[in-house]
Amino acid sequence: GAVVSQHPSRVICKSGTSVKIECRSLDFQATTMFWYRQFPKQSLMLMATSNEGSKATYEQGVEKDKFLINHASLTLSTLTVTSAHPEDSSFYICSARTGTVYGYTFGSGTRLTVV
Amino acid sequence: DQQVKQNSPSLSVQEGRISILNCDYTNSMFDYFLWYKKYPAEGPTFLISISSIKDKNEDGRFTVFLNKSAKHLSLHIVPSQPGDSAVYFCAAIFRYTGGGNKLTFGTGTQLKVEL
Repeated sequence: GAVVSQHPSRVICKSGTSVKIECRSLDFQATTMFWYRQFPKQSLMLMATSNEGSKATYEQGVEKDKFLINHASLTLSTLTVTSAHPEDSSFYICSARTGTVYGYTFGSGTRLTVV
Repeated sequence: DQQVKQNSPSLSVQEGRISILNCDYTNSMFDYFLWYKKYPAEGPTFLISISSIKDKNEDGRFTVFLNKSAKHLSLHIVPSQPGDSAVYFCAAIFRYTGGGNKLTFGTGTQLKVEL
């Protein structure tokens, strides 16, 4: 089946630095990818939708200058958390639609800890 | 505004018995519903789905029921197995103008299947 590979799985960074998270679709092309964030014991909240070759669409309340999304190819989308702060510590998950209208495949997630 | 809610944060069931996980939604424009299973530090994995034009879908030990008038769906797992212990998210899809769709997650229910 369709696989979405997400890296790194875990990252610890210092406050004020930037962190890049990669999401790759394996064996299929993903024109649209989605980035979610999950706080402990809470739901997965959609942050933004990235479309290959165009600007990402951000959900209300998500700072686009802080969470930079690039979807330069049909198999790769990246999320860069810029000038990270401890409150950005969270679990970030990407997903891609897999051909069927309602099919979504998720990456394994990235645990970001900002110290 | 939580449009998809799972009012039970946790559920404990004995092995071999039935697990019933519930989900309520508020947006009548949702037209497709999915259940995902999630382990800590991993992305969600798809379990089963149902279209809004149906009231039941079954796949092995998993059955999803949809009551549109009550805006309620439930996931039945029978018989429950220890390996079913995980967090279960229901999710709903809303199709917006332009052909895209958006996945909204519930708050999750931690299922524990005890020996």
